[in-house]
Amino acid sequence: QVQLVQSGAEVKKPGASVKVSCKASGYTFTSYGISWVRQAPGQGLEWMGWISAYNGNTNYAQKLQGRVTMTTDTSTSTAYMELRSLRSDDTAVYYCARDSGGAWDNWGQGTLVTVSS
Amino acid sequence: SYELTQPPSVSVSPGQTASITCSGDKLGDKYACWYQQKPGQSPVLVIYQDSKRPSGIPERFSGSNSGNTATLTISGTQAMDEADYYCQAWDSSSFVFGTGTKVTVL
Repeated sequence: QVQLVQSGAEVKKPGASVKVSCKASGYTFTSYGISWVRQAPGQGLEWMGWISAYNGNTNYAQKLQGRVTMTTDTSTSTAYMELRSLRSDDTAVYYCARDSGGAWDNWGQGTLVTVSS
Repeated sequence: SYELTQPPSVSVSPGQTASITCSGDKLGDKYACWYQQKPGQSPVLVIYQDSKRPSGIPERFSGSNSGNTATLTISGTQAMDEADYYCQAWDSSSFVFGTGTKVTVL
């Protein structure tokens, strides 16, 4: 069965960077894209960006341009999301999701990133 | 930027029908998806391409999309359907989520 397993919770200071991993299994990794979505405490869902696992093409949300980088490692079927210059309002649960033609049909369990001094 | 607006809350009695709307400019020209999220859990896709159900999603979930409004309908609502629901669409090289609707089964 399809599984996306994310790395564990992180606590970071303002200005630092965080890198979250998302290891895929149960399907051909390069046949789908991966989107990243975040959810601040008590808030709604926010799309962060997308990466093609086939060729590494990316599309980032305008709001995060310049602070976010998404990559993949096809040898380990793992996607990564790095967010830099962290602020307190980046505190959120970060999700990876498999992109099946614009619909996200499988999601990781989420990674809580807390930004606090 | 593109916006999708949902009612903050919908209440429904068990066995009745719940309808959740998602409004956006010319939304009917785009594909809409719907996600269910229960507290402390990851979202689950319940409708894609306006009206298609992924495998494993009960038939009581259905969707439509026309004009400026997409609608998620839950027929014969069960207590287990109590959750937050989000619509999602693609516009101008960006995915957008709706504001979310909390469905309460009274």
